[in-house]
Amino acid sequence: AQSVTQLGSHVSVSEGALVLLRCNYSSSVPPYLFWYVQYPNQGLQLLLKYTSAATLVKGINGFEAEFKKSETSFHLTKPSAHMSDAAEYFCAVITPRAGGYNKLIFGAGTRLAVHP
Amino acid sequence: EAGVVQSPRYKIIEKKQPVAFWCNPISGHNTLYWYLQNLGQGPELLIRYENEEAVDDSQLPKDRFSAERLKGVDSTLKIQPAELGDSAVYLCASSPATRLAGGYEQFFGPGTRLTVL
Repeated sequence: AQSVTQLGSHVSVSEGALVLLRCNYSSSVPPYLFWYVQYPNQGLQLLLKYTSAATLVKGINGFEAEFKKSETSFHLTKPSAHMSDAAEYFCAVITPRAGGYNKLIFGAGTRLAVHP
Repeated sequence: EAGVVQSPRYKIIEKKQPVAFWCNPISGHNTLYWYLQNLGQGPELLIRYENEEAVDDSQLPKDRFSAERLKGVDSTLKIQPAELGDSAVYLCASSPATRLAGGYEQFFGPGTRLTVL
């Protein structure tokens, strides 16, 4: 069965500091992995996705994530935080299968606060 | 290109009342999803449609929840009667046919925030 664990429900960083949001997954077969961002009172917006191509994935707004199979991780990073990055971030996993379908499973989310 | 549209954005009702949420997916997206998002948690799938067929409704509480997608385009999710524990955000998402090489990306609407008093 698939699952996602996001370590740290709240992360606080200073503006300009490195952002690191952790995500570990469990999947019996190679997964597809996603990071979504949710701003207050809005839906989820895709930041980036890993679909078995390059293990280092670059997304929007300067975010990137690296798929590490040996660590079953897909941590999200951004070199320099901006005030506008304050939001809720969700990691999600899906196990693709030919001719079939598996659900997209979300982690519980990490709320990122950015202070001046 | 218009995104996923949901209405209403906010709804406040008293318990035992009925409520309905509407979703219009991105044009051309065959697959439509309804998710429940409780406070402080990630979205959880309630039901998935492929065109007008509900192909995964295993997580839908069928005693009080129902959904339809009659013409394979927009969809309605209904709760009757609502309970206090139904207070949450109800998200709609859509995606192209899953067999496409789109990485299974789902596009989300802004959600409907339901408060049951």
